[in-house]
Parts: sequence; C-alpha cells; structure tokens
Amino acid sequence: DTEVTQTPKHLVMGMTNKKSLKCEQHMGHRAMYWYKQKAKKPPELMFVYSYEKLSINESVPSRFSPECPNSSLLNLHLHALQPEDSALYLCASSQEWGAGAGANVLTFGAGSRLTVL
Amino acid sequence: AQSVTQPDIHITVSEGASLELRCNYSYGATPYLFWYVQSPGQGLQLLLKYFSGDTLVQGIKGFEAEFKRSQSSFNLRKPSVHWSDAAEYFCAVVLISGNTPLVFGKGTRLSVIA
Repeated sequence: DTEVTQTPKHLVMGMTNKKSLKCEQHMGHRAMYWYKQKAKKPPELMFVYSYEKLSINESVPSRFSPECPNSSLLNLHLHALQPEDSALYLCASSQEWGAGAGANVLTFGAGSRLTVL
Repeated sequence: AQSVTQPDIHITVSEGASLELRCNYSYGATPYLFWYVQSPGQGLQLLLKYFSGDTLVQGIKGFEAEFKRSQSSFNLRKPSVHWSDAAEYFCAVVLISGNTPLVFGKGTRLSVIA
C-alpha cells in the first residue's frame, strides 16, 4: 500500500460546527503532516508529527487541533472556523522527520476540500 | 534568506512540443531538490528528486530534471508534452541537515493546446 487516504473528500461546515478531517497511511511512515492550500498557491505547512508526537506547529490558530492517535492515523479537528479557512487540506507522510533522504520524500493524499459558510 | 523561485507563473505549450520549467533556489548549501505535480483538485505527486550523484535525474511520466550547482537551478524538462500533462508543477527544496520543512516554489501552471 503506497497511498495516503484522506476523508472526507469534501466538507461543508458552518462557523459554529465541529468537524474532523482524517488521514491514514499504511506504509510504515513515522512522520505525518498537515498542509493547507489555497487556490493557485503552494501548500503551506501547518503541523508535523514525528513518532506520534507534535514536532512542528507553524503558528496555526487553535481552532485547528491536530491529533495523531497512532502511527497510521492523523486527524485534524476543526472548530469555530472562519470563511477564510476554506481551502484544500492535504495530508502527507514520510519515512521519518528530520535529516536524511528518506525523511524528506513526502507522499501526499488527494486532499479534503473544506468550505466554511 | 532561503527561497525557491519559479519564474514562470503560467506556460502554454502545444501538444508534442518540448517543455522546460524553471526552478532556482537560494540556499547556503546544496539542498535536496524535488518536483511535484498537482492536477486540479488533487494532491501532489512526486515526479522526481535529486539528492546527490548524477545531476540529470529521470522521473515518472517521461520527465527529467537537471541540477546545475553553478546556476542554483533544477529545471524540469520533457521532450514531448501530452495533453494529460496539463497541471500545476511545484519545485520544492529542503536543507540536507534536516529538521526544517520542505519549501515550495509558487508553482507553474502548464496549459497544453492541440
């Protein structure tokens, strides 16, 4: 299995809702990532998990709450979002986080398209 | 400051024509270098990567890229473009020393015309 699976593919939510995005990989990768991508822009890193521990938080607002319950799963909990949070949210994984060639080859999921009304 | 530059925002080529997408980086040392492709509404797919060794690297879908240290460039090429190559292409770099995230260029959108 060489895939990163993201669910749901599309999500529409109101500003008072609580929802979650889910990401799963079975490649044995120990690093997982959340990126946010606005239209016609490159992906922007939000969070990095390494061995199920949060390694990087790129000053993301607390209305986004990541969770890594085990080495194969990564969730992004959403609460009280704003319309400007509407974007494509991409999950990625790599063998490891840090130095070394394998650590930096990311496999991306197809993304979850989020619309906040 | 470390940066990745893709000078061309949008390129249009005819099907069957050759393609070159430019990427320049500004780092203190040679980083690891990548090209990713993104079809509309999809995730990113790795086309190829350069870590060390032979400066001409082959990737998937008939793409290749050449690392030129003297020019701090890692340009992507394809000898004959197919309509299915229409997509957004991102160059990305990361420091070899690690513990810093991948940095993406702003992307080049490729359109293919008949």
